[in-house]
Amino acid sequence: KAGVTQTPRYLIKTRGQQVTLSCSPISGHRSVSWYQQTPGQGLQFLFEYFSETQRNKGNFPGRFSGRQFSNSRSEMNVSTLELGDSALYLCASSLEPGLTTDTQYFGPGTRLTVL
Amino acid sequence: LAKTTQPISMDSYEGQEVNITCSHNNIATNDYITWYQQFPSQGPRFIIQGYKTKVTNEVASLFIPADRKSSTLSLPRVSLSDTAVYYCLVGDRNSGNTPLVFGKGTRLSVIA
Repeated sequence: KAGVTQTPRYLIKTRGQQVTLSCSPISGHRSVSWYQQTPGQGLQFLFEYFSETQRNKGNFPGRFSGRQFSNSRSEMNVSTLELGDSALYLCASSLEPGLTTDTQYFGPGTRLTVL
Repeated sequence: LAKTTQPISMDSYEGQEVNITCSHNNIATNDYITWYQQFPSQGPRFIIQGYKTKVTNEVASLFIPADRKSSTLSLPRVSLSDTAVYYCLVGDRNSGNTPLVFGKGTRLSVIA
C-alpha cells in the first residue's frame, strides 16, 4: 500500500506570496492532519480534516488554511508569506479519529523556503 | 492533554540495547502511548503504540508500568541507522478535539 504523498517536496517563495501544498493520504484513510516543523518550535499542529470537515485547529494565524476533498486528499494554503513560515510542512493520515487506536502516518513533508 | 518529558539526548554504541524513558504523569484513562522516529528532513515514522504492560513488534518493545505514568521504548542492538530523534506522545484519538502534541523528543546518537 502506498504511503502518504506530499507535493511538491521543495518550494521557494518570496514574502507576500501565497502557497498551496498538497497531501494524498494512504488509501482508505479519511483523516488528514497538517503540522509545521521548525528548528525552534519543533512539530506544531496546524489542523485536522475528517470527512471534508475541519475537526481541530492549532494556534496559527488565519493566513494558514486548509481543506479536504471528497477523496480525502487535502490541501493547505498559506497566504501573505512571511520569512518565519519557512519550515517543513508535514501531512499525516489516519483511518478515522473515532477509533481508539487510530494511528497517524506521516508523509515525507514539503520543505518551504520563504525569501 | 497529557504532557511528556523525555531526555533531550542519548548516546549509545552500536550493538547495545537502548532504553528511552518518557514521563507522562497526567496521562488520562483513555490515552494511548505512541512512539515515533524521525530522521532529518523526513516525516516521523510510527514505531510502536501501547496502552499497558508490554508491547513488542519487529523493531522495538514498549514497557508500560501499571500506573502508566511513564513508558520505556527499548531498541535492541542499535545500529548507526538508528540515529534519529524519538518522540513519545500520549493522547486519545477517539476523544473530541484533542490533537496529538509532539514534545522536543530524544536525539539518539549511535556511535560505531
